[in-house]
Amino acid sequence: GQSLEQPSEVTAVEGAIVQINCTYQTSGFYGLSWYQQHDGGAPTFLSYNGLDGLEETGRFSSFLSRSDSYGYLLLQELQMKDSASYFCAVRVHPLYNQGGKLIFGQGTELSVKP
Amino acid sequence: DAGVTQSPTHLIKTRGQHVTLRCSPISGHKSVSWYQQVLGQGPQFIFQYYEKEERGRGNFPDRFSARQFPNYSSELNVNALLLGDSALYLCASSPRDRVSDTQYFGPGTRLTVL
Repeated sequence: GQSLEQPSEVTAVEGAIVQINCTYQTSGFYGLSWYQQHDGGAPTFLSYNGLDGLEETGRFSSFLSRSDSYGYLLLQELQMKDSASYFCAVRVHPLYNQGGKLIFGQGTELSVKP
Repeated sequence: DAGVTQSPTHLIKTRGQHVTLRCSPISGHKSVSWYQQVLGQGPQFIFQYYEKEERGRGNFPDRFSARQFPNYSSELNVNALLLGDSALYLCASSPRDRVSDTQYFGPGTRLTVL
């Protein structure tokens, strides 16, 4: 089967650093994406890891370890506007997921406090 | 450039009715995928279309159908609505039909079934 695990909630204060972990058990794994979603709006693409290691995009970084089936999203210098849901999503070869190429985790609700 | 657009933004229907949701992809994108997001969960794959052909189908009943038009826009149809169909329906587009492509999401249609 296909499964992703991420914490349901994380709370942090403005200016802090927070890490959101994601572990997966997925056949046909291709890469790991991260999306941000504010209050049920459009999921916004943040980052993608196709290879092991760290990808940095401004205040956001994402890491992948294929051997550990593990990744994380790191948010630095937290701002109030970062309060949102964050989803890890595995890209899979279509043959392994009834044609769908993205499998989402349940999401992590991040609350940034002043 | 405009992002993915969806219409309508909100919709209220009663059980047993039929609904049609519409999606226009990012200009130049030829692949459209549909997802269902129930409150508090991650998006779940329903369909993918590329060049007007169905390329993938998730684990949804036959009441759900979709199609893609020559201009690459797409419709999702749901017949015989059930209370459990209440959800945010998201459309995502990507340039091609490749797992290496990033999917970009629209704002969704919030469907409420009474």
